[in-house]
Amino acid sequence: GQSLEQPSEVTAVEGAIVQINCTYQTSGFYGLSWYQQHDGGAPTFLSYNALDGLEETGRFSSFLSRSDSYGYLLLQELQMKDSASYFCAVFYSGNTPLVFGKGTRLSVIA
Amino acid sequence: GAVVSQHPSWVICKSGTSVKIECRSLDFQATTMFWYRQFPKQSLMLMATSNEGSKATYEQGVEKDKFLINHASLTLSTLTVTSAHPEDSSFYICSATIAGGVAVDTQYFGPGTRLTVL
Repeated sequence: GQSLEQPSEVTAVEGAIVQINCTYQTSGFYGLSWYQQHDGGAPTFLSYNALDGLEETGRFSSFLSRSDSYGYLLLQELQMKDSASYFCAVFYSGNTPLVFGKGTRLSVIA
Repeated sequence: GAVVSQHPSWVICKSGTSVKIECRSLDFQATTMFWYRQFPKQSLMLMATSNEGSKATYEQGVEKDKFLINHASLTLSTLTVTSAHPEDSSFYICSATIAGGVAVDTQYFGPGTRLTVL
């Protein structure tokens, strides 16, 4: 089946930069997206990459390398409120449901 | 932006009863809605894909007779958990895609419904 791999936990200091990696299976790959989920809340869309390269949105950036079946989410100037779970998710073709990774729990410490 | 609501936001019920969860797209028409389930500290697992006016497509391992899905209009899909048991306690999340949308950023998530079965 289709699976995504991402680290289960990451801890970083307030103000620092953290990178969360995601690898995926290539068959039928269409695009890679990232979601943020705080405890008890629903996923919130952060970014989407369909082409190679870096997409920047404020403090968050997302990168994709289709040849390496790899992407990452980069969070800069970390704030305590960034503590949450981050999921990479893949569209494997057009208007189909997202397949989610298992999530990375980010803890931002002072 | 597009808004998806869910009702109720949380529900506690006795084992053996049925619970209905509504998912509504408030300011757009959604031809397709997806239902996910998320257990504590785990990822979102797709349960079924719901298309307006047709039968839902269930993922492998999801009992269609236990999780009844109805998508009667372009703005409403319902999930009914029949004869709920404690193992059905979970966070249920729906998402909706805008009619004609094919990009990932046209999939909008509801706030989720936390079901606790005693």
